[in-house]
Amino acid sequence: DTAVSQTPKYLVTQMGNDKSIKCEQNLGHDTMYWYKQDSKKFLKIMFSYNNKELIINETVPNRFSPKSPDKAHLNLHINSLELGDSAVYFCASSQAGATYEQYFGPGTRLTVT
Amino acid sequence: GDSVTQMEGPVTLSEEAFLTINCTYTATGYPSLFWYVQYPGEGLQLLLKATKADDKGSNKGFEATYRKETTSFHLEKGSVQVSDSAVYFCALGGGSEKLVFGKGTKLTVNP
Repeated sequence: DTAVSQTPKYLVTQMGNDKSIKCEQNLGHDTMYWYKQDSKKFLKIMFSYNNKELIINETVPNRFSPKSPDKAHLNLHINSLELGDSAVYFCASSQAGATYEQYFGPGTRLTVT
Repeated sequence: GDSVTQMEGPVTLSEEAFLTINCTYTATGYPSLFWYVQYPGEGLQLLLKATKADDKGSNKGFEATYRKETTSFHLEKGSVQVSDSAVYFCALGGGSEKLVFGKGTKLTVNP
């Protein structure tokens, strides 16, 4: 009965590859987010979707493309991976009227070699 | 733009010590303020919140008071436990539909 789940938990890949991270929430929330946490624990929002519509699109390389097939899922696809993409990626969700009370997934640690 | 400044860590305390983690913010308007906690190997969890000036948020023995005059939201706990070891993030929700996080403060509590 995990509220926000992500797969995979760990992802090790080589530069230039394309990879995807999946996120699902069973809380019935309308809004989902992707965050990137660097090695110093700094957390930066990348994208948010509300009911499958893109709401926030921060300044990230266009190699990163989010996709929301339905409001319970938000996937992150990354093309042409670079060393600097190594980080922990967190998915989160929130319900309408409580945008800032976010529920986070366990994170996906991406290592690009 | 909106921003949050937290005291730099790491912070190391002995069990039962008093904890303060300072947080100040810059925002236009009247933001909501939050403390999130990240335990090792996990995602962030909302610890407490305050939505208007002079509100006190509290949870699990932690407290923080929204001080508009000093633009602060310092986190306090009277007696920390080893299980409180985590990274603590102060955050602001100012109406831009996104949370603005501080850089996080790592707390280690030794037995």
